Amino acid sequence: KAGVTQTPRYLIKTRGQQVTLSCSPISGHRSVSWYQQTPGQGLQFLFEYFSETQRNKGNFPGRFSGRQFSNSRSEMNVSTLELGDSALYLCASSLEEGANYGYTFGSGTRLTVV
Amino acid sequence: GEDVEQSLFLSVREGDSSVINCTYTDSSSTYLYWYKQEPGAGLQLLTYIFSNMDMKQDQRLTVLLNKKDKHLSLRIADTQTGDSAIYFCAGGYGGATNKLIFGTGTLLAVQP
Repeated sequence: KAGVTQTPRYLIKTRGQQVTLSCSPISGHRSVSWYQQTPGQGLQFLFEYFSETQRNKGNFPGRFSGRQFSNSRSEMNVSTLELGDSALYLCASSLEEGANYGYTFGSGTRLTVV
Repeated sequence: GEDVEQSLFLSVREGDSSVINCTYTDSSSTYLYWYKQEPGAGLQLLTYIFSNMDMKQDQRLTVLLNKKDKHLSLRIADTQTGDSAIYFCAGGYGGATNKLIFGTGTLLAVQP
């Protein structure tokens, strides 16, 4: 079956712009989580969605937001982009909510802010 | 708070065994995971261990968990050049905090 699909793979944006990233989970998976990966901070949890509701949020400013649709697809949005937002954004899906079920990650969206 | 640490780099020769170590501060994780990341790719789940287990073997992979010392290790037998990648350990924290806390990652370099 198809894995976790993230689009686009690469993105270049200018400071101050906003960006929307998309994630389609594995068919049947209902939980979607987002992580940011940077060389300096490593992998950091952004948020988790289940049944169209945000279940948990990491320690990121309000410029980072997300949502989940009824088909479990998820989007994350970053407004007023800063240079420090340049990162690999990874989406992960799980059968149910909660880390106990294990997460399958997508290939990520590489965002570069110039 | 939760903190997970790993050594940054490990170099081994092809055919040798590799042992990647991980220490964590919060013992409330229910599952502990090992992920592999190759250049330009996402994270691939290699294996996991439930927190009430001491050991899990999965083909060439052996995971050891020492709960007393809060130490987790991943042993790769007969390491191949295709095993060269960054390896992350992660603690799974369910309940009110549904998230993975990742270690810093260990770059494994396999010399032919």
